[in-house]
Amino acid sequence: GAVVSQHPSRVICKSGTSVKIECRSLDFQATTMFWYRQFPKQSLMLMATSNEGSKATYEQGVEKDKFLINHASLTLSTLTVTSAHPEDSSFYICSASRGGLATEAFFGQGTRLTVV
Amino acid sequence: GENVEQHPSTLSVQEGDSAVIKCTYSDSASNYFPWYKQELGKGPQLIIDIRSNVGEKKDQRIAVTLNKTAKHFSLHITETQPEDSAVYFCGGGRGGGSYIPTFGRGTSLIVHP
Repeated sequence: GAVVSQHPSRVICKSGTSVKIECRSLDFQATTMFWYRQFPKQSLMLMATSNEGSKATYEQGVEKDKFLINHASLTLSTLTVTSAHPEDSSFYICSASRGGLATEAFFGQGTRLTVV
Repeated sequence: GENVEQHPSTLSVQEGDSAVIKCTYSDSASNYFPWYKQELGKGPQLIIDIRSNVGEKKDQRIAVTLNKTAKHFSLHITETQPEDSAVYFCGGGRGGGSYIPTFGRGTSLIVHP
């Protein structure tokens, strides 16, 4: 099956620092990747959609200068939380799709970010 | 993406019983309906999906049914086991390269041994 690896699984950082989260498709080429944020006991909220080689499309209300997304290759997308604050603490999840006629999206294991 | 409504928010069953989770959608052009299982502290896992050209799909103890006329689809889990306990999310939308995975609010399924 299609495997999406997300790293790190947990990270603690100090307020004001930046944190980078990586999302890799291990056995397929991901034309499109998605980034989500999930608060406790809530559903996944789509933050942005990125296509390889293009700028990410951010959902309304998501600060693109704070959540930097890079999708430089067909197997890697990164989310950088810049100048993190405690309110950025959350569970971040990536998803990858082959694109084209393929519909199925496969998810990483998530990253628990805690900003202290 | 498609806006899906999911019910119930919590579901508690005894081991061996069946569990049914329902979702409704609004876009009549939606043709792809996945179901995801999310265990605590992990990302969602696709467990089954259905496309609008079929009305039912089964995979061992899991089945999904689709009623296009009424715009609703359901996840059925038979012979539930404690390891089925998790949060289940439905999704829906227009399949193909433009599909953006979006989710219902989720159903917390608890299977009591």
